[in-house]
Amino acid sequence: AQSVSQHNHHVILSEAASLELGCNYSYGGTVNLFWYVQYPGQHLQLLLKYFSGDPLVKGIKGFEAEFIKSKFSFNLRKPSVQWSDTAEYFCAVHNNNDMRFGAGTRLTVKP
Amino acid sequence: DTGVSQNPRHKITKRGQNVTFRCDPISEHNRLYWYRQTLGQGPEFLTYFQNEAQLEKSRLLSDRFSAERPKGSFSTLEIQRTEQGDSAMYLCASSRRAGLGTDTQYFGPGTRLTVL
Repeated sequence: AQSVSQHNHHVILSEAASLELGCNYSYGGTVNLFWYVQYPGQHLQLLLKYFSGDPLVKGIKGFEAEFIKSKFSFNLRKPSVQWSDTAEYFCAVHNNNDMRFGAGTRLTVKP
Repeated sequence: DTGVSQNPRHKITKRGQNVTFRCDPISEHNRLYWYRQTLGQGPEFLTYFQNEAQLEKSRLLSDRFSAERPKGSFSTLEIQRTEQGDSAMYLCASSRRAGLGTDTQYFGPGTRLTVL
């Protein structure tokens, strides 16, 4: 069965630090990949997505993610985080009618 | 476009009672999804509709759970004889399937269920 792994449960960074959140999935076929963000007290919002084409995708708020097919990975990056990036981040993999989410990574950015 | 809405936002019930949640998707979105999310976990897929047809149900969805989307617009999720293990956030999402690989889901705020 398809699975999604987010290896970091909680990441704590200072403002201006660089961020990389890991996401690996197990499915070997064609997949669509997503990162969602959930700010405190708010609902899930789409951060970025990959369907095809350039494996480096850019999303909102300066986030980007790179799809590396050989590593089954879709890591999320941001060169300089802000306090307002404090949130929970979820990686998701969609194949046909199956959408699987990772357990999430809580990011805390210290001012 | 007002986004996906869910009602109620919070529901507290006693074990054994039935509860029903409603989801209103983004207008003209033909796909509607239900998920369950517990603390410290990502959303778990429960079921989804394309228009009024329920196309897939997760094995997580016991026979106490039933979902409907009678007119292909709003959907309801009913849980019968609730158990404490049903306590979770129930999320609804909708999407507009415009072609293979373009199915982006937009989430509602969720209904938080507490079973006492």
